[in-house]
Amino acid sequence: AQSVTQPDIHITVSEGASLELRCNYSYGATPYLFWYVQSPGQGLQLLLKYFSGDTLVQGIKGFEAEFKRSQSSFNLRKPSVHWSDAAEYFCAVGARRGGADGLTFGKGTHLIIQP
Amino acid sequence: DAGITQSPRHKVTETGTPVTLRCHQTENHRYMYWYRQDPGHGLRLIHYSYGVKDTDKGEVSDGYSVSRSKTEDFLLTLESATSSQTSVYFCAISEDGGEETQYFGPGTRLLVL
Repeated sequence: AQSVTQPDIHITVSEGASLELRCNYSYGATPYLFWYVQSPGQGLQLLLKYFSGDTLVQGIKGFEAEFKRSQSSFNLRKPSVHWSDAAEYFCAVGARRGGADGLTFGKGTHLIIQP
Repeated sequence: DAGITQSPRHKVTETGTPVTLRCHQTENHRYMYWYRQDPGHGLRLIHYSYGVKDTDKGEVSDGYSVSRSKTEDFLLTLESATSSQTSVYFCAISEDGGEETQYFGPGTRLLVL
């Protein structure tokens, strides 16, 4: 069975600084990887996804993520954060293409933005 | 935004009572999912459906049942609610074939007293 680890429960970053959120997965075959963001009291919004091809994927809101098979990682990055980026971020892995059997989520990283 | 609605959005109920949550989609997507979100656990899959009348269990299915009689509706039932089922429940949908991405509804906050 697949699993996802987000090592950082909370991260505090100053506005304008760069950001990296870590995600490590465990899965025997080719993973299908996702990053979602959840604002307080809201549902989940897809930031980006990796299915195959270029290991550096671009997403919405200026986010990108890099798939590193050798490290079983799919870290999320943003060069300069904005106060509106404060939210909960979830990494997820799907067992089949597009997660047709459902996604396995990490426990999330809470991002705090300091002025 | 994907056309997904959940009802009710908030519910308070008592232990032992049956509860049904509804997910409705207007996208005609084949796959539908129910997750629960709890602090410190992220989202966990309860049940999913890959077509009308076709459902399967997820990671935390005990105490829950589902039904899908129409493409657009996916119902989650707690036959006899317990306090451990207090949670936020999210429905998600994904397309059939191609690069399937799951799109999430706004969630239902359930409190079992």
